[in-house]
Amino acid sequence: QKEVEQNSGPLSVPEGAIASLNCTYSDRGSQSFFWYRQYSGKSPELIMSIYSNGDKEDGRFTAQLNKASQYVSLLIRDSQPSDSATYLCAPPRGGSYIPTFGRGTSLIVHP
Amino acid sequence: DGGITQSPKYLFRKEGQNVTLSCEQNLNHDAMYWYRQDPGQGLRLIYYSQIVNDFQKGDIAEGYSVSREKKESFPLTVTSAQKNPTAFYLCASSKPDRVANEQFFGPGTRLTVL
Repeated sequence: QKEVEQNSGPLSVPEGAIASLNCTYSDRGSQSFFWYRQYSGKSPELIMSIYSNGDKEDGRFTAQLNKASQYVSLLIRDSQPSDSATYLCAPPRGGSYIPTFGRGTSLIVHP
Repeated sequence: DGGITQSPKYLFRKEGQNVTLSCEQNLNHDAMYWYRQDPGQGLRLIYYSQIVNDFQKGDIAEGYSVSREKKESFPLTVTSAQKNPTAFYLCASSKPDRVANEQFFGPGTRLTVL
């Protein structure tokens, strides 16, 4: 099993809809999880971090973590064309604080 | 403004040539990292450093070398031993924290081999 798995997409949603991005990971010891957004040709930008089971909301973004299922998701409400980017899931690798990055899910928000 | 700078933005390398990518941060972070990103791929860790004068190999260190003489600086040399160096190179830094190790990235250097 790969360390981090994400659907590469592209995920296409209409403007104003909810975009749901999913990520599964293999290391049960992972303590913290990060979501990065990467626009084409640019560097990744941290948008959400979550450390405990449940939901964490920040503006239009909600991160959901289920450690038992080794699953983390990112919901984007009221999606905007400016949200069109690749979203990288990054749990830490086993026994380390250094993240392992998934390949990312490409999101396209069309007007 | 605090942040991470990388230079140059674009770099062209001839066969058999070594090139050095610069990374500087003024965030007072102890840890710094180098990643490589190929089209459609995630980030792969090349080297990381948790403290001055110390660094460790990541997943794909062959053909690369680094130094960490100053807290602010972590240059990466792509040597002629790296057979496929064309990629987007990203430098990052973090505090670090075992629980909340949030990384901040520089703008990247795009390296092309001629």
